[in-house]
Amino acid sequence: GQNIDQPTEMTATEGAIVQINCTYQTSGFNGLFWYQQHAGEAPTFLSYNVLDGLEEKGRFSSFLSRSKGYSYLLLKELQMKDSASYLCAVWDSNYQLIWGAGTKLIIKP
Amino acid sequence: GAGVSQSPSNKVTEKGKDVELRCDPISGHTALYWYRQRLGQGLEFLIYFQGNSAPDKSGLPSDRFSAERTGGSVSTLTIQRTQQEDSAVYLCASSLALGGTYNEQFFGPGTRLTVL
Repeated sequence: GQNIDQPTEMTATEGAIVQINCTYQTSGFNGLFWYQQHAGEAPTFLSYNVLDGLEEKGRFSSFLSRSKGYSYLLLKELQMKDSASYLCAVWDSNYQLIWGAGTKLIIKP
Repeated sequence: GAGVSQSPSNKVTEKGKDVELRCDPISGHTALYWYRQRLGQGLEFLIYFQGNSAPDKSGLPSDRFSAERTGGSVSTLTIQRTQQEDSAVYLCASSLALGGTYNEQFFGPGTRLTVL
């Protein structure tokens, strides 16, 4: 079956760096997405990786290793507003977006 | 339009009633997706449309669920004979294309369905 694994919850300190990992097993691969979802709101797009390596976008970076079925989202200079759930999703060969359950990130002052 | 819109924003219904949820995608977006999110849980993929066609309906939870899209634009998700387990937020998203560089999905605000 298809599976996306990510930690359920993480805690970090304001101003610090946090890495959220995601591993996947899917039938085919056409890219990996990271989305941010604040409580009670719809998800918003953060990043898309289809090739191996690191994609940097401001305070957020996303890494992909297709051979390992692995990605991480790196958040730097954490701010209180970064408290949210971070969703990893993989685009499989049938154009279905397979979603992880999300990682709830708690930022403490 | 400026973004994906969904209606109604909230729907409370009685068990056994039918409900219809509407999604207006971003103008020009060919792909449209429906998801379900139960409280505190991740996204559950239901169905996607490429144009007016839904190639794979296997994600729909049961035969009480159906969806259609007309004119390559508006989509409706219909749930017949609703059950309490159908209570969730139903999210719609659209993307410019199905694959390649333009497959970023933009989400609507969702419809919160409560079945009493």
